[in-house]
Amino acid sequence: DTEVTQTPKHLVMGMTNKKSLKCEQHMGHRAMYWYKQKAKKPPELMFVYSYEKLSINESVPSRFSPECPNSSLLNLHLHALQPEDSALYLCASSHLGPTHGYTFGSGTRLTVV
Amino acid sequence: GIQVEQSPPDLILQEGANSTLRCNFSDSVNNLQWFHQNPWGQLINLFYIPSGTKQNGRLSATTVATERYSLLYISSSQTTDSGVYFCAVDPGNTGNQFYFGTGTSLTVIP
Repeated sequence: DTEVTQTPKHLVMGMTNKKSLKCEQHMGHRAMYWYKQKAKKPPELMFVYSYEKLSINESVPSRFSPECPNSSLLNLHLHALQPEDSALYLCASSHLGPTHGYTFGSGTRLTVV
Repeated sequence: GIQVEQSPPDLILQEGANSTLRCNFSDSVNNLQWFHQNPWGQLINLFYIPSGTKQNGRLSATTVATERYSLLYISSSQTTDSGVYFCAVDPGNTGNQFYFGTGTSLTVIP
């Protein structure tokens, strides 16, 4: 299995809703990442997990709450989002260390109404 | 933080033409990747190339870390090459903190 699987592919949520994005990989990667991508912009790093522990938080608002329950699974919990949070949310994974590239999932397109 | 600029921002090619995409970065980096993002948003890793030259079929890449740039060469372009090309750099030494460049949007017309 050489894939990163993200669900759902599309999500529409209201500003008062709570929802979660899910990311799963079975490649034995011990680093997992969340990126946010607005239309016609590059992906922006949000969070990095190494060995299931949060190692980097790029000053992301607390309405985004990441969770890594095990080495194969990464969640992003969403609460009280704003319309400007509408974007493509991308998950990636990699082996740890400076010699490995990323594998990305196909993303979740989130619309906040 | 580190600045990563790509050029050109937009490129239109006739099928069969060759092209060179450039990635400049403002500080030293230990790791660099090139990605292709297709029109559906999927990011595909093309090369992991912190230094030197690599080739994969019609694509090749060269990174000159000491001069803070990387080049992606596309030869005999095809319509399926259309999309956005990003370079991403890791300014540290962990391989775990990649920052994306501004991107080059490529359109290949038949």
